[in-house]
Amino acid sequence: NAGVTQTPKFRVLKTGQSMTLLCAQDMNHEYMYWYRQDPGMGLRLIHYSVGEGTTAKGEVPDGYNVSRLKKQNFLLGLESAAPSQTSVYFCASSYSKGGRFDGEQYFGPGTRLTVT
Amino acid sequence: ELKVEQNPLFLSMQEGKNYTIYCNYSTTSDRLYWYRQDPGKSLESLFVLLSNGAVKQEGRLMASLDTKARLSTLHITAAVHDLSATYFCAVIRSGNTGKLIFGQGTTLQVKP
Repeated sequence: NAGVTQTPKFRVLKTGQSMTLLCAQDMNHEYMYWYRQDPGMGLRLIHYSVGEGTTAKGEVPDGYNVSRLKKQNFLLGLESAAPSQTSVYFCASSYSKGGRFDGEQYFGPGTRLTVT
Repeated sequence: ELKVEQNPLFLSMQEGKNYTIYCNYSTTSDRLYWYRQDPGKSLESLFVLLSNGAVKQEGRLMASLDTKARLSTLHITAAVHDLSATYFCAVIRSGNTGKLIFGQGTTLQVKP
C-alpha cells in the first residue's frame, strides 16, 4: 500500500496562475481532507469530503476549490494564486464506520507551494 | 468556536530531563490526538485519547486526557536527541466528519 500520496511535491507559481494539487489514497477511505500549514499556526482545514461526489468547506476555503470525482482522489485547485497561498499543503484520509468518522487521519507527504 | 492552544510553543531542553507539553481546548470534543512532525516531513500519529482519564505511553512519551478540564498533557521522560521534533495536539469538532482542529505546535529541541 502506498497510503496517501500527493502530487507534486514542490511547485512555484506566479501570482494569478492556476494549478491543481492531486491527492490519492489506496486505503478505500471514505473521508478525505485538505489542510494548509503555515509557521506558528498548526494545520488549518481548507475543504473536506465525506464521500465520492461530495465536498464541503473547512476553516479557510477562500481562494480554493476541490473535487472528488473518484473515491480515491481528492483534487485541490487554485484558480488565481496569490502570495498569501504560499504554504505547505497536506492531504489526509480516514475511515468511516456506519457513516461516521472512525479512527484517525492518515496524512500524505505534503506539497510545498510558493507563490511569487 | 473550538480553539486549541498549546504551550509552550518552543522548548529547549537537555538530554535526560523531563518536561510536559500542555494542550487546552475550548469546547467539548470526542477525542484528542497527538502528532509528531519532523522538519520537512509529514505528520506521524502518536496517540489517540478517547475518554476522560485516558493515559497512553510509548517509550519516553506519555499522553493523558482530562475532559473536564479540557486539557491534555504530553510528558517527556529523560529526553533524548531523537525526540527533537514539533508536536501537535488536535481535537475533533463535533459531528461525524472527523474535522480536526490543531494547536499551534510545540517545537522541542533536545540538546546533548
